[in-house]
Amino acid sequence: DTAVSQTPKYLVTQMGNDKSIKCEQNLGHDTMYWYKQDSKKFLKIMFSYNNKELIINETVPNRFSPKSPDKAHLNLHINSLELGDSAVYFCASNSLGSLSGNTIYFGEGSWLTVV
Amino acid sequence: GQNIDQPTEMTATEGAIVQINCTYQTSGFNGLFWYQQHAGEAPTFLSYNVLDGLEEKGRFSSFLSRSKGYSYLLLKELQMKDSASYLCAVDGTYKYIFGTGTRLKVLA
Repeated sequence: DTAVSQTPKYLVTQMGNDKSIKCEQNLGHDTMYWYKQDSKKFLKIMFSYNNKELIINETVPNRFSPKSPDKAHLNLHINSLELGDSAVYFCASNSLGSLSGNTIYFGEGSWLTVV
Repeated sequence: GQNIDQPTEMTATEGAIVQINCTYQTSGFNGLFWYQQHAGEAPTFLSYNVLDGLEEKGRFSSFLSRSKGYSYLLLKELQMKDSASYLCAVDGTYKYIFGTGTRLKVLA
């Protein structure tokens, strides 16, 4: 039973294409996130959603459009892909104020390579 | 601004003890996480400190000083499988800010 699952795990695509990464969590959490981890392994927050509402948008280019159809899903659509978008994208979730102390749980990551 | 600093790399020997430091300056602070990340895998939770002091969990302990903006992760009885990156992260509500991570290499 995967708690936070993302698809696809690997994606190789050409510059200029549009692609989506999907994320689902079955933990009953109310908050979901997208993080980007670049080649230097720096994990940087992109977006956070609480109860389907956008809370944080960390100056991400508007080519990146997140969409949360419900609390359990947060998808990431990327338009006009650029070489610099190559990275690992991690979805994560948690419930704020929970007994687990706001611990965030990560999906397995989506390895995006733009060629 | 938001700033979280950790050493980039550390090397230690199997069976030894290693301390990984983290200093932070952030606009919001609810607590501090430590995560472990093996190459090619997702980060996994190790510890969460809210109050000052040391929290011990098996071979791993984490310390926090809020007044000094400082934390460390202590790993005892190092094993080869502890070779990984260790990420310090500040809980800023809706926003978890990660440090650049410390790559720990455990040698036989």
